[in-house]
Amino acid sequence: NAGVTQTPKFRILKIGQSMTLQCAQDMNHNYMYWYRQDPGMGLKLIYYSVGAGITDKGEVPNGYNVSRSTTEDFPLRLELAAPSQTSVYFCASSYLSGGGTDTQYFGPGTRLTVL
Amino acid sequence: GQQVMQIPQYQHVQEGEDFTTYCNSSTTLSNIQWYKQRPGGHPVFLIQLVKSGEVKKQKRLTFQFGEAKKNSSLHITATQTTDVGTYFCAGRQTGANNLFFGTGTRLTVIP
Repeated sequence: NAGVTQTPKFRILKIGQSMTLQCAQDMNHNYMYWYRQDPGMGLKLIYYSVGAGITDKGEVPNGYNVSRSTTEDFPLRLELAAPSQTSVYFCASSYLSGGGTDTQYFGPGTRLTVL
Repeated sequence: GQQVMQIPQYQHVQEGEDFTTYCNSSTTLSNIQWYKQRPGGHPVFLIQLVKSGEVKKQKRLTFQFGEAKKNSSLHITATQTTDVGTYFCAGRQTGANNLFFGTGTRLTVIP
């Protein structure tokens, strides 16, 4: 299994440009998440999904959009990029059921700079 | 809204010294997880605690969940250079779909 994969690894955007960060998992996990991590800071939840076709906002959703058309893929869309969106973006997935440990597996991250 | 705070924010220790990070939630948690992030890497799951007062050990790491299920701690005995990284706690409210990550404690081990 590849686990959680993210593309691209690095990206530089100009203010006002748009882009899509790709995330895929091959573990048949029902839950998927997008976090951003600013330098030296913790993780902030942007959006999450509990299954295909279902998404919900996290702590910091403004300026982002997501979709979940399949179990495997959970792309994050940035519209009209702003310098405040400069960050490292992590995608994660987990299997949440009635019991047991719902470990979150993280992708390697996308380092985004908006100039 | 829910907040999860960690202290200290930074800790520098000599190799061989012990290290402890503390996690405090503003609300009661159904469970708490701990993750480690190496410099330049991504968070990696360490453990989950569910029961009030639970204590779990992984080699030199000891994890505790408070009796009120609002706080937790991670203690590392005799630190090694491989312990370097940022340690995050992440708490889940009862019935919630997502975790709230703590602010993290960055550990530096001086050889």
